[in-house]
Parts: sequence; C-alpha cells; structure tokens
Amino acid sequence: AQSVTQLGSHVSVSEGALVLLRCNYSSSVPPYLFWYVQYPNQGLQLLLKYTSAATLVKGINGFEAEFKKSETSFHLTKPSAHMSDAAEYFCAVSQPNFGNEKLTFGTGTRLTIIP
Amino acid sequence: DAGVTQSPTHLIKTRGQQVTLRCSPKSGHDTVSWYQQALGQGPQFIFQYYEEEERQRGNFPDRFSGHQFPNYSSELNVNALLLGDSALYLCASSLEDRASYEQYFGPGTRLTVT
Repeated sequence: AQSVTQLGSHVSVSEGALVLLRCNYSSSVPPYLFWYVQYPNQGLQLLLKYTSAATLVKGINGFEAEFKKSETSFHLTKPSAHMSDAAEYFCAVSQPNFGNEKLTFGTGTRLTIIP
Repeated sequence: DAGVTQSPTHLIKTRGQQVTLRCSPKSGHDTVSWYQQALGQGPQFIFQYYEEEERQRGNFPDRFSGHQFPNYSSELNVNALLLGDSALYLCASSLEDRASYEQYFGPGTRLTVT
C-alpha cells in the first residue's frame, strides 16, 4: 500500500519569500514521487518527478524537491515566490512495478502569495 | 501537438441517471487512467486502460465502468448517479514505457448531480 501526507492544507507566503510545501510518503517498495500543480478550473500539470535517479530534482517554474529516504519526505521548494505561483499543489506517489502506474495523491496544499 | 482532451467540459445530471465522459489521449500515448476529484480533495484513481482492457482498478463500485477504443481514446460511464458522484473527473494519458512514468492530465469534466 502507498500513501501521501501533505502537511498544511493552506500555506501563505509573501512575494519574493521562500516557498516550502511539505510531503511525506509511505510505500512498501522504493517509490516514484511527483508534484503536480492545479490552477483554478484546470487539470493537473506536472512540476517535477523523482524516479530513483538524482535525489535533488529540478522542475519547471523554478521549483525543486529533494527525496530523503531516511525522512520519507519529498518537500517542494522555490527560493522566491511569484504571484503566478498561487495555486493548489498535489504530491503523488507511484510504485514502479509492471503495470502499476496508478498515482496516489495527497489532499493538496493551497498556496497563497501575499503581495 | 494536442494534449489530453476531455468532453464535455461541464455536465449536470439528475440522481439515478447515467453519464458518459470522453477522453482523447495525448498523441502517441497508449494508456488512459481516470481519476475522480471531489471538491477540496486530491484526485482518486478509478481505473486504467491499456490495450483496450481494464488493467487496474481503484476502490470504486461497479457503477463505474469504462472502455478504451482501438485509437486509444476512452470513455468513463457512471450508472445510477448519486449526489456523491458530483466531482471533477480527470483523464490522464501515458506511454507504456518504463523510462517515462509521466501522466499527462486533461482539463477535466465537471459533473454535477442534482
């Protein structure tokens, strides 16, 4: 079984400040991990993914995440927040077995940027 | 290159009715997954289709069924609609390629059951 916990359903940061969105996972096998962003009334867009290569993963729009096995975490960061970063962010886990590509999502974190 | 497309965008149905949602995958993709996203929640996996067969299923009742066509497009059918079926239904496509592991999502179909 696999699961994801996102700490903080709402996060507010000032424009230009550090963005930190937390994600912890549970998986019986080495996982693949993903961060998706969802803007209002839209589908999900992949920000970045970890698939057992480098533990520090860089994604689009200046976001990055670090896989820490010892902490079972995959937190998302961005050094300087922009107003356009305001959205809902979802962490997801997948188990890379044959035919098992289903994504298990967390409940999401709504990011608000304060001007 | 067209991404994942879904139709219709919005749909309003009455309890007990049946609904069909449609999805066209990203060009070159052969696998389609369906997710249900209730308001304020993360997406929940419904099922996945590959080679026109249901390969994997989440914890959803048999009222939820699907189909994949030879051109890889897919339909999601829900029978005997309940108020709790109101949600955003997301289709995601991917390539059966062990090196990829990326699912591309469509904009979703917003289903309201009254």
